[in-house]
Amino acid sequence: AQSVTQPDIHITVSEGASLELRCNYSYGATPYLFWYVQSPGQGLQLLLKYFSGDTLVQGIKGFEAEFKRSQSSFNLRKPSVHWSDAAEYFCAVGASGTYKYIFGTGTRLKVLA
Amino acid sequence: EPEVTQTPSHQVTQMGQEVILRCVPISNHLYFYWYRQILGQKVEFLVSFYNNEISEKSEIFDDQFSVERPDGSNFTLKIRSTKLEDSAMYFCASSWTRGPQETQYFGPGTRLLVL
Repeated sequence: AQSVTQPDIHITVSEGASLELRCNYSYGATPYLFWYVQSPGQGLQLLLKYFSGDTLVQGIKGFEAEFKRSQSSFNLRKPSVHWSDAAEYFCAVGASGTYKYIFGTGTRLKVLA
Repeated sequence: EPEVTQTPSHQVTQMGQEVILRCVPISNHLYFYWYRQILGQKVEFLVSFYNNEISEKSEIFDDQFSVERPDGSNFTLKIRSTKLEDSAMYFCASSWTRGPQETQYFGPGTRLLVL
């Protein structure tokens, strides 16, 4: 069965530091992968998505993610974190043959000034 | 930019009461979804809806739950007789087409607390 794991529940980084949020998936075929962000009081906003092609995907707000099939990973990165990046980040996989997304538990990012 | 809206943002109810969570999807979208997240757990799919019918539902979506598109804009989730374990954040989403590659646009959620 498809599944998504986000091993880090909470991450704290200093403003200006680099960031990597981990996401591992379990899926038999080529996955459709998404990263969403939820700021307080806001909906889940799509940061980026991967379907095929170039394994390094660029998203909004300076985020990127790299698909590594050999590691079943789709980690989200940002070279320099801003205080406004403090939010909860969700990794999801689109399940082939169904309508649904399968989500991880989310990673809550705290940014220190 | 068009967005999905949800009301109320928070709802507190007594166990056994009925609740209706409301969503206004993006206006030209055709597929609608409900997900929920119990505190500390994963966001879970509940149901998808297209052309006034449920197209897929999870095992969570039992007879206590129902969805409806009562008019051209609203999409509702009704929980007939709430249980303590229904306490969660409920997210509505919509998309233009279906398929695992299709971006689903999510609302801000309704936090439901059942006492």
